[in-house]
Amino acid sequence: QQQVKQSPQSLIVQKGGISIINCAYENTAFDYFPWYQQFPGKGPALLIAIRPDVSEKKEGRFTISFNKSAKQFSLHIMDSQPGDSATYFCAASKTQGAQKLVFGQGTRLTINP
Amino acid sequence: ETGVTQSPTHLIKTRGQQVTLRCSSQSGHNTVSWYQQALGQGPQFIFQYYREEENGRGNFPPRFSGLQFPNYSSELNVNALELDDSALYLCASSLNAGLAGLQYFGPGTRLTVT
Repeated sequence: QQQVKQSPQSLIVQKGGISIINCAYENTAFDYFPWYQQFPGKGPALLIAIRPDVSEKKEGRFTISFNKSAKQFSLHIMDSQPGDSATYFCAASKTQGAQKLVFGQGTRLTINP
Repeated sequence: ETGVTQSPTHLIKTRGQQVTLRCSSQSGHNTVSWYQQALGQGPQFIFQYYREEENGRGNFPPRFSGLQFPNYSSELNVNALELDDSALYLCASSLNAGLAGLQYFGPGTRLTVT
């Protein structure tokens, strides 16, 4: 079963705090792990992505940590801002064959000012 | 460079009817994927088209079908609509079928089946 499990379902963080969202996958054939950000009424937008040959990737305030042995990866948002309030999805795919993205269930993040 | 566009934005249909949703891929992209996003859930892969051929399909029944045209735009057709088909339908395009994950999503079509 190709599944990606995401937690928590919702998260409230104070402005300036660190937001952490976790994901776990089952299929060891997955080799690409993107995170998407979705605002109401919009389609998902690619935020940051990682491949399993690195344990961490940082872009601005966003960091992905990857643990291949545990089959887990997480998104950290540093200095969280009210504009970061959105739904975040982790996903996984294989780079061979059809680019089927398998998404987690989503985390609704609210940053309180 | 234009992004991925979808039409219509919203649609209301009755159970048993048929619907066609349209997607224009980002300029230069030859691969289009369709996803269904139920309320409060992550998107679910329906199928992908690469150079006018189906290039992979998710766990959706045959009443979900698609087309890709020579200009790489695409259609999603759903026959015999059911109440559970109510969802946001997302189209995503990518430069080619080998660039997994580099998919750019459109804003979606909100389908309501009554």
